[in-house]
Amino acid sequence: ETGVTQTPRHLVMGMTNKKSLKCEQHLGHNAMYWYKQSAKKPLELMFVYNFKEQTENNSVPSRFSPECPNSSHLFLHLHTLQPEDSALYLCASSHEQGSPSGYTFGSGTRLTVV
Amino acid sequence: GQNIDQPTEMTATEGAIVQINCTYQTSGFNGLFWYQQHAGEAPTFLSYNVLDGLEEKGRFSSFLSRSKGYSYLLLKELQMKDSASYLCAVLDSNYQLIWGAGTKLIIKP
Repeated sequence: ETGVTQTPRHLVMGMTNKKSLKCEQHLGHNAMYWYKQSAKKPLELMFVYNFKEQTENNSVPSRFSPECPNSSHLFLHLHTLQPEDSALYLCASSHEQGSPSGYTFGSGTRLTVV
Repeated sequence: GQNIDQPTEMTATEGAIVQINCTYQTSGFNGLFWYQQHAGEAPTFLSYNVLDGLEEKGRFSSFLSRSKGYSYLLLKELQMKDSASYLCAVLDSNYQLIWGAGTKLIIKP
């Protein structure tokens, strides 16, 4: 357990479904991140929230919608996904954005779109 | 563009030493991280270098040369549990983390 909890661990969804990924941290961190990890590719930053404000949206398709209701919780809402969206989705947190003390990652949600 | 290069896969023998290299070209530099990721698990922080030189932490050491845009992670007395992917990442001038694709390290008995 790293201190960052992600649920569910595994998710299989059809292209017409709507689902949400949840991330929770109680480390007192002020920045939270969503990353996409595909095999043999670098981690792709999707969204950043710093003190609950979204500071980055790296050209992510609108079928991914983040929500950060407070500094401890982060959601990623999914709808009408494509098979190429199948990947490991990692949540991370840090003391503040770009903190040199490093990021703490959750174990990820393995998403399969069928 | 920004780029981090590291070998895709390496193999080493239990008890031996292995060095995983990382070269980078980024817009500015505010430090370099190494993370370890076991299959199906979260990446975990190993080291952070912002000044040139070698940082030693137990069996693991990390080296940085800013002038060469180069770092390595040195693992000594390899154990089977060291089989994992090792991720190199650089904090650029905007304090964004730029990631390499990771090096899969396979340890053989």
